[in-house]
Formats: sequence, structure tokens, C-alpha cells
Amino acid sequence: DGGITQSPKYLFRKEGQNVTLSCEQNLNHDAMYWYRQDPGQGLRLIYYSQIVNDFQKGDIAEGYSVSREKKESFPLTVTSAQKNPTAFYLCASSGPSRGNYEQYFGAGTRLSVL
Amino acid sequence: QQQVKQSPQSLIVQKGGIPIINCAYENTAFDYFPWYQQFPGKGPALLIAIRPDVSEKKEGRFTISFNKSAKQFSLHIMDSQPGDSATYFCAARFGGSSNTGKLIFGQGTTLQVKP
Repeated sequence: DGGITQSPKYLFRKEGQNVTLSCEQNLNHDAMYWYRQDPGQGLRLIYYSQIVNDFQKGDIAEGYSVSREKKESFPLTVTSAQKNPTAFYLCASSGPSRGNYEQYFGAGTRLSVL
Repeated sequence: QQQVKQSPQSLIVQKGGIPIINCAYENTAFDYFPWYQQFPGKGPALLIAIRPDVSEKKEGRFTISFNKSAKQFSLHIMDSQPGDSATYFCAARFGGSSNTGKLIFGQGTTLQVKP
């Protein structure tokens, strides 16, 4: 079953804590993306990666960090510097990086602050 | 210049009606315009997409109309059903040498189709 798996589905963060959201894809896609979704604001791009070991900041990268050590995996860390982390986080992939326009999304992780 | 403006924010229609969702953009470097459908608690799923050299594209009950000169495109849902109740997002992608694959999304439209 090909697709994008995000985990966990729900995550709670304590004050001052870093948390990491997992995103794994078995679609053999080169490019991967992280979005944040807030009510009434659409999807905003946090980070994206077009190839392993390379990634770029999106529109709202402050307070977040990523790594791309494997083609299949693109974890997102929400750091303590992100003061308003409560949101629905979506991971997507597309590939090959410039030949295929379609982005496929995971089911999302809902992050809340305790 | 990087924005995609979507309207209306919410829409209620009766079953069988034809909801229309509109999007507008400024940047002529966009070369691909997809629409996504999202159900509550789920990730968005690609519904239909169009390129600017085509004025209309139809897939089943879903139609995109594209007006390149006005920099506007819209989604029409024919014979809408309660199962179409969802949030719909338009998006645009930069083409040419600036192509990174990333999409710019509209703000979303929440559609409710009443039985």
C-alpha cells in the first residue's frame, strides 16, 4: 500500500519541550513538504526538501527544524521557540521533484499544548 | 504577488445545486492550478488540476474553469451531494526556472450540501 504515513495522530507538548512529528513515504518521491493548517488560513509551508540532505525554509519556518537523511523520511521538530504550536500539521510528497506536479498528503498530526 | 485569494469562505447549497468556488492570483509565473478536497481530520486529496493553456477541464461532476486574462479560476460541482461536504482548497505552483514544486494555497472554502 503506497502512501504517506504521519505519526502520531495526536501529540501534546509541554511548555519548553521540543517534539518531533514523523513523516514517512513509500512512493519513491524526491520532494517532501511540511505544512501547518490553522482554521481559516489555508495551508502554510514550513519547510520543504527536494532531495536527500537538502531542505529549504518555507514561509513560516521560525521555531521549526527538519532533517532529510533518507529519501523516505522527513521528520519535523517543533521547538520550544515556537510559541504558538497548536495546529494541524500535514506532510506531503511529490516526485520526481520537477517532473510531477501532484502533491500527495498524509493524514496529519494534531498538536496541542498542555 | 505570491498570494492566491479564494472565495467564499463558506458555502451552503441544497442537494443537486451547483456550488462555485473562485480563486484569483497575481503572479503570471504560476503554471499549474490544482484543487484539493479535505474532509475533517484528514489530509487534503487532489481533486482536479488544470494548466493555464486550457480554459476548462471536467472530471466527473467537477469542472475547473480558467480565465488566463483575468487571472482567475473556479471550481464547479455539478449535482452536488451531501458527501461533497468538505473543505476545498485551490492552489498554484510556480513554473519555469523558479519551479521548486511548492504550492501556494488559497484560504479554503467550507462547503455544506444539505440533503
